[in-house]
Amino acid sequence: AQKVTQAQTEISVVEKEDVTLDCVYETRDTTYYLFWYKQPPSGELVFLIRRNSFDEQNEISGRYSWNFQKSTSSFNFTITASQVVDSAVYFCALSRHAGNMLTFGGGTRLMVKP
Amino acid sequence: NAGVTQTPKFQVLKTGQSMTLQCAQDMNHEYMSWYRQDPGMGLRLIHYSVGAGITDQGEVPNGYNVSRSTTEDFPLRLLSAAPSQTSVYFCASSLGGGDTEAFFGQGTRLTVV
Repeated sequence: AQKVTQAQTEISVVEKEDVTLDCVYETRDTTYYLFWYKQPPSGELVFLIRRNSFDEQNEISGRYSWNFQKSTSSFNFTITASQVVDSAVYFCALSRHAGNMLTFGGGTRLMVKP
Repeated sequence: NAGVTQTPKFQVLKTGQSMTLQCAQDMNHEYMSWYRQDPGMGLRLIHYSVGAGITDQGEVPNGYNVSRSTTEDFPLRLLSAAPSQTSVYFCASSLGGGDTEAFFGQGTRLTVV
């Protein structure tokens, strides 16, 4: 069975602080895919990144960066210089190779205060 | 492009009533899925489909039925609503397998009283 754990249920930071959202996963598959989604207060789910199990390179996109470590089964997400607009619930998710059926973590609510 | 369209956006049902949540996508995606979102539990997979005529159960299928007669549509049916089905429901579609992103609809907030 697959499992995704986001141990931080809520994080509160002040604007311009850096913040890291943790994601730990469990799977027996050798090929798998990891995702991060953002859910702003309006409720929709916004795709942020996809990473496959064979690509452990870290990725940076503007203020966002992702650290994938297979050795610790973690796929952490860092926001640099956080902004109020980053306030949202962030979900880490895992999918098997043969399908797009996602297993989600419980989500981390990030509150960025001005 | 409309993407993934869910209707209705809000619905209140009485216990025992039936209803269908509609989901349509215009991206010619083969894969479609239904999830429910409950506080603190993230999203959980209800049913999914890998193509027209093919459906399968996810993690929490009880109380829900699906069918996939066309590539575009993937309705979710509640045959006899229960208060435990109060949730936000999301439909998603994707082009292929796990190496593609899922596009989500706006969600349907369902309350069963």
